[in-house]
Amino acid sequence: SQTIHQWPATLVQPVGSPLSLECTVEGTSNPNLYWYRQAAGRGLQLLFYSVGIGQISSEVPQNLSASRPQDRQFILSSKKLLLSDSGFYLCAWMEAGGYEQYFGPGTRLTVT
Amino acid sequence: SQKIEQNSEALNIQEGKTATLTCNYTNYSPAYLQWYRQDPGRGPVFLLLIRENEKEKRKERLKVTFDTTLKQSLFHITASQPADSATYLCALDPLNQAGTALIFGKGTTLSVSS
Repeated sequence: SQTIHQWPATLVQPVGSPLSLECTVEGTSNPNLYWYRQAAGRGLQLLFYSVGIGQISSEVPQNLSASRPQDRQFILSSKKLLLSDSGFYLCAWMEAGGYEQYFGPGTRLTVT
Repeated sequence: SQKIEQNSEALNIQEGKTATLTCNYTNYSPAYLQWYRQDPGRGPVFLLLIRENEKEKRKERLKVTFDTTLKQSLFHITASQPADSATYLCALDPLNQAGTALIFGKGTTLSVSS
């Protein structure tokens, strides 16, 4: 069966510090991968998605970036965090050509 | 502009009653629509998908309808239980291309009291 992992589960970082969140999927090949952010009182905001290694689509211009160095690994990064980057970050996967998305457990990021 | 709206942020009902949640969309023509459940501090979990040619879809105590004329989907939970308390999200594919990104509503938080 398929499993999706995210780490860390929680993170507190100062403004201006770098960020690296990692997501890995097990039990499937060539999945579509997604990064979302959910801020308090707001909906799920799609940040990036990838349909293959090295292929990244950005939905919202910001100080975040994403990379997919391996088929089942998706990384969200920032060189300098802003206060507004605080939120709940969710990674999700979908079978290529599929419909439903499967979400990871999320990372709660607090920028202080 | 394109919007997907869930018109209630919160819904409180008593155990045993039917909960009805609404999802409306504007300036999209989705071929299918999905519903997810999200518990506090967790990622959303897929519940149901309904296609434009399906008027109704059922799964156990859940029922979803899809009215492309009204641009609306209704999500019903019958015989609701306290364990049904969660936030429910609707989602659609703006490009109608399986495997691409979904757009999510902000969700409706359902509280079922015993």
